[in-house]
Amino acid sequence: AQSVTQLDSQVPVFEEAPVELRCNYSSSVSVYLFWYVQYPNQGLQLLLKYLSGSTLVKGINGFEAEFNKSQTSFHLRKPSVHISDTAEYFCAVSGPGGYQKVTFGTGTKLQVIP
Amino acid sequence: DTAVSQTPKYLVTQMGNDKSIKCEQNLGHDTMYWYKQDSKKFLKIMFSYNNKELIINETVPNRFSPKSPDKAHLNLHINSLELGDSAVYFCASTLTEGGDTQYFGPGTRLTVL
Repeated sequence: AQSVTQLDSQVPVFEEAPVELRCNYSSSVSVYLFWYVQYPNQGLQLLLKYLSGSTLVKGINGFEAEFNKSQTSFHLRKPSVHISDTAEYFCAVSGPGGYQKVTFGTGTKLQVIP
Repeated sequence: DTAVSQTPKYLVTQMGNDKSIKCEQNLGHDTMYWYKQDSKKFLKIMFSYNNKELIINETVPNRFSPKSPDKAHLNLHINSLELGDSAVYFCASTLTEGGDTQYFGPGTRLTVL
């Protein structure tokens, strides 16, 4: 069984400040990890994903995340946020290989303050 | 071109009614999902179909019945609607290969009065 914990339900941050959204996972097997973003009244879209290889993953809109196996974490970071980054962010995990169910975290609301 | 589309976008109905939500994807994917997102934004998988076959059924009441006429379509029919069914329902699709991205539709906001 796999699970995802997003420790912060809301993160307020001033515009142009850096931000980190935390995600921890648990799984008995190796994992694939994802971050999705949901803008108001829209569906989710992929920001970035880790499948294998380099533990630092770069995504769209200037976001990046680092896979840390020893700490079972996959935190999302951006060095300077913009008002348009205000959205709900979901961390997700799935097992490797063929068909696998994706488990989503409970989401973190990023509120960028002008 | 919309990759994953859902109709309708909004659905307001009375308790006890039966309603359907339709989903279509033009990405050539072979796996489709229904998710329910509650008012706290919690996203819960309901069903998954792979090549028209049911793969996941996550303890959803049997009032909910998915139907996949072909691998590009996955519809959701709900019988005897209850207040607790009010939520946003998202359709998504992906290729079966592990690690592939899920593509989400815009959602259907269901309100049961």
